[in-house]
Order: sequence, then structure tokens, then C-alpha cells
Amino acid sequence: KAGVTQTPRYLIKTRGQQVTLSCSPISGHRSVSWYQQTPGQGLQFLFEYFSETQRNKGNFPGRFSGRQFSNSRSEMNVSTLELGDSALYLCASVMTPGQDYGYTFGSGTRLTVV
Amino acid sequence: QKEVEQNSGPLSVPEGAIASLNCTYSDRGSQSFFWYRQYSGKSPELIMSIYSNGDKEDGRFTAQLNKASQYVSLLIRDSQPSDSATYLCAVKKARYKLSFGAGTTVTVRA
Repeated sequence: KAGVTQTPRYLIKTRGQQVTLSCSPISGHRSVSWYQQTPGQGLQFLFEYFSETQRNKGNFPGRFSGRQFSNSRSEMNVSTLELGDSALYLCASVMTPGQDYGYTFGSGTRLTVV
Repeated sequence: QKEVEQNSGPLSVPEGAIASLNCTYSDRGSQSFFWYRQYSGKSPELIMSIYSNGDKEDGRFTAQLNKASQYVSLLIRDSQPSDSATYLCAVKKARYKLSFGAGTTVTVRA
């Protein structure tokens, strides 16, 4: 079956712009999480959505937001981009957010802010 | 205090040897523990999960969990060059958040 699909794979944006990233989870998976990965900070939790509701949020400024649609697809938005937002953004899905399930990651979106 | 801490590495082992990776976590209420492997330029891939104290074996991989010591480890037996990657320890303490360690980079020397 298809894995977690993230689009686009690469993005180059200018400081001050905004960007929207998309994530389609594995069919049947209802929970989607987003992570930011940088060489210095590792994998940082952004937020997790389940049943179209944000269930948890990491320590990121309000410029980072997301949403989940009724088909479980998710988008994240970053407004007023800063150079420090350059990172690999990873989406992960799981069937339900019960504690016994591991998350499956997508290939990520590499965002470069110039 | 970081939620999840791992040996910073890098760890270099000869082919055929055992690679030992360690991870500690801060929240005693954590219930689920995972090991992910991430090749350079790729996304993390789940290789092991463990929920109960003790050992869990899957092929050449063994995960060990000690909740009293808040410690989880991964052993890679008969290490192969294809095992060269960064290994990420992940801990689930809340229903809606998986926290990761910084990762340990393993290099297997042929």
C-alpha cells in the first residue's frame, strides 16, 4: 500500500513569505504528526492532529500552524518565514494515537529560506 | 533536562561486531519506546518497538527496556556496512506526542 506522501519535496522561499506543506497519510491512518529536523536541533515535534483536531503542540511560535481534513490529509503552514526555518519537515502517520503503535514517516519536504 | 537523551556518538564498529546504543528518558510515566533508523538524506524508518521491561529480539536487533532505570537500549548483532546510519530513540509519554533523542550515528567498518 502507498506510504506517507509529502509534497512538495523541495521548496525555496524568501524571508517574509509564507509556505504550505502537504501530507497524505497511509490509507486508514487517522493521526498525523509534523516534525522539524535540523542538524543542530534534531527532530523537533511541531504538532499532532487526530480527527481534524490539533491534539498536541510543540514549542514553536504561532507562525507555525496546521490543519487536518476529513480524509485525514494534513497541511502545515509557516508564515513570515525566517532564515532559521530552513529545515527538513517530516510528516508521520499512525492508525490511531494509541501508545502501542509506531509512526510511519514520509520522505519529507526540504525547505530553504533565502 | 532533555526528554530523551542518547549517546552522542559517533559510534564506529568493525563488521561482524555488536553495536550498542543507549537512551535515557526523563518522564517516568512514559509507556512506549521506539528505535528508528535514518540513512543520510532519508526519512526515519521504524525498526523496533518495546513496551515492557526486558528484551525484545527481531533478527539481528535486540531492544532492552528498564523502566525503573528509565533506560532503553538497542543492540545490533553481526553489524553490517548496511547498518551504517543514525539511530533515533523515540519515547511516547503522552497520547499525542512522540519525542526523539538527538540520534547516534553508527559507522560499520568493513
